[in-house]
Amino acid sequence: GAVVSQHPSRVICKSGTSVKIECRSLDFQATTMFWYRQFPKKSLMLMATSNEGSKATYEQGVEKDKFLINHASLTLSTLTVTSAHPEDSSFYICSAITDKSEAFFGQGTRLTVV
Amino acid sequence: GENVEQHPSTLSVQEGDSAVIKCTYSDSASNYFPWYKQELGKGPQLIIDIRSNVGEKKDQRIAVTLNKTAKHFSLHITETQPEDSAVYFCAANEGGSYIPTFGRGTSLIVHP
Repeated sequence: GAVVSQHPSRVICKSGTSVKIECRSLDFQATTMFWYRQFPKKSLMLMATSNEGSKATYEQGVEKDKFLINHASLTLSTLTVTSAHPEDSSFYICSAITDKSEAFFGQGTRLTVV
Repeated sequence: GENVEQHPSTLSVQEGDSAVIKCTYSDSASNYFPWYKQELGKGPQLIIDIRSNVGEKKDQRIAVTLNKTAKHFSLHITETQPEDSAVYFCAANEGGSYIPTFGRGTSLIVHP
């Protein structure tokens, strides 16, 4: 299957700082990527749809000014958690869509805000 | 929009037994049904998928069946092994959309 690389896998940051998470499709081009948040023992919660060359589409209840998404190329999307607070601590996962509508996921990023 | 129900939430089996996870969906226009395996602390991994023009698909010990009339699809794992222990998610893509709707997940535990 296709490979999606997400970096970093773990990050600890201080409250009030910003953190950037990268999502790369390594062997295919992805016009569309998704960003999810996952709480312990729960399913994936879609945060936003990242479209190459255009603004991201955010799900209801997700603050676009807090979770900045940039999809500047067909292989890279970034999620920046701005002014992070402890309640933003979570597991963040990206996925990229192939031209056959298959979704491949990154390894996930465990964010801990202290 | 699409609604996907997944059962059971937890499934415990002995090594060598079979495991079956079932999902139902609401949107009759859905045409793509992937299954994902998620190990602790990792992202979901696509393990098998089926499209609406096929009733069954098999890959070694894993098989998926689709009943479009009843709007349900199932994952079958035979000869389970401890390394099959993980959370499994089903998903359905709304017709014409590339956004998957996920089930709540099934925690599969395979006892050696």
